[in-house]
Amino acid sequence: EPEVTQTPSHQVTQMGQEVILRCVPISNHLYFYWYRQILGQKVEFLVSFYNNEISEKSEIFDDQFSVERPDGSNFTLKIRSTKLEDSAMYFCASSAASNQPQHFGDGTRLSIL
Amino acid sequence: QKEVEQNSGPLSVPEGAIASLNCTYSDRGSQSFFWYRQYSGKSPELIMFIYSNGDKEDGRFTAQLNKASQYVSLLIRDSQPSDSATYLCAVNRNSGNTPLVFGKGTRLSVIA
Repeated sequence: EPEVTQTPSHQVTQMGQEVILRCVPISNHLYFYWYRQILGQKVEFLVSFYNNEISEKSEIFDDQFSVERPDGSNFTLKIRSTKLEDSAMYFCASSAASNQPQHFGDGTRLSIL
Repeated sequence: QKEVEQNSGPLSVPEGAIASLNCTYSDRGSQSFFWYRQYSGKSPELIMFIYSNGDKEDGRFTAQLNKASQYVSLLIRDSQPSDSATYLCAVNRNSGNTPLVFGKGTRLSVIA
């Protein structure tokens, strides 16, 4: 069964450094999402992306965050200057259509020191 | 503020029993409803989705939706120890590229 692939599985970074989290959505999907989950808390929406542009973003997704689809397969989330509170699991998801279920990757655990 | 509420649990049921998980949501514009299972340290895994009022069955799982009451539930029949996980309820508006709004999840423990 096709799946969403995320790399790396764990990223450890010093505060203030830039990180790029990578995702390969399911190949025929058109809608892409990033979510995060701080330990012990609920899954929170960050940003949605369709047709090479951001569709919607949450208050969390401030100027330090950006997303890109650099080629036909990858979807990346960049955090420009990481803060301690950015430590979380980051999940990429994709769906075939806006009303279809979103399928999640295994996540990247981001640890900011 | 769109909210999805779930009893955090833990909900403990004996092996073979029916587990009943409940969820309420605040946004009356919600159109799509999803149940995800999340094992500790893992990602959400889609279990069921439902769009219309009533029941939808898939194997041991039944999702129930009542839009008038803004209530969605998940029944797990013949519960197994492997069903022990946190179950996340998620909803979205189904218009455009709308995000899922998640509840905090209910932790289910199936006792052998």
